[in-house]
Amino acid sequence: NAGVTQTPKFRVLKTGQSMTLLCAQDMNHEYMYWYRQDPGMGLRLIHYSVGEGTTAKGEVPDGYNVSRLKKQNFLLGLESAAPSQTSVYFCASSPRVQETQYFGPGTRLLVL
Amino acid sequence: GNSVTQMEGPVTLSEEAFLTINCTYTATGYPSLFWYVQYPGEGLQLLLKATKADDKGSNKGFEATYRKETTSFHLEKGSVQVSDSAVYFCALRNAGGTSYGKLTFGQGTILTVHP
Repeated sequence: NAGVTQTPKFRVLKTGQSMTLLCAQDMNHEYMYWYRQDPGMGLRLIHYSVGEGTTAKGEVPDGYNVSRLKKQNFLLGLESAAPSQTSVYFCASSPRVQETQYFGPGTRLLVL
Repeated sequence: GNSVTQMEGPVTLSEEAFLTINCTYTATGYPSLFWYVQYPGEGLQLLLKATKADDKGSNKGFEATYRKETTSFHLEKGSVQVSDSAVYFCALRNAGGTSYGKLTFGQGTILTVHP
């Protein structure tokens, strides 16, 4: 039981490039979340999903897209990366809305 | 809207010292309150939680009490160890409605414990 895994662990992009971050969970959780962590700001919610095939915007969704084609995977896409998207990205999942969220190890992204 | 404010860090202590990390919140209704810990190079792990007023969450020697009258959830430990060095996040979650389980985090407090 691996819990929540994230791929890749670290990536460097040039401004304007695109990439996809993958989050996978093997706990059969319905809810999945993408957060970004910036110094002095805690974690902020980018997008979330309440089940397979559904996604919704969080508090900082601009510049990101997501997809949840399979229950166990939640993908975060950057279509045209900007330096402001340099951050550490965390994925989390929970079985139900009021249950504990389990976090992945994070992806560190640097946009030059 | 919801907000969480943690004491400024970083906090540096000697082993076996007493730890307090202050956390206050602003929220509507009756949120659940959490402390998460992030060890170097790892993701966040739930440390403890409390779901209603006067509840005390505890784990690994850490404690925090949900104080509705002061809107606080301060983290304490009587004797810290070097292995407690990490970043600590206070967070809240509103109950029900359209909250979709969203966690609102404080900015995090870096704790370093020296031998």
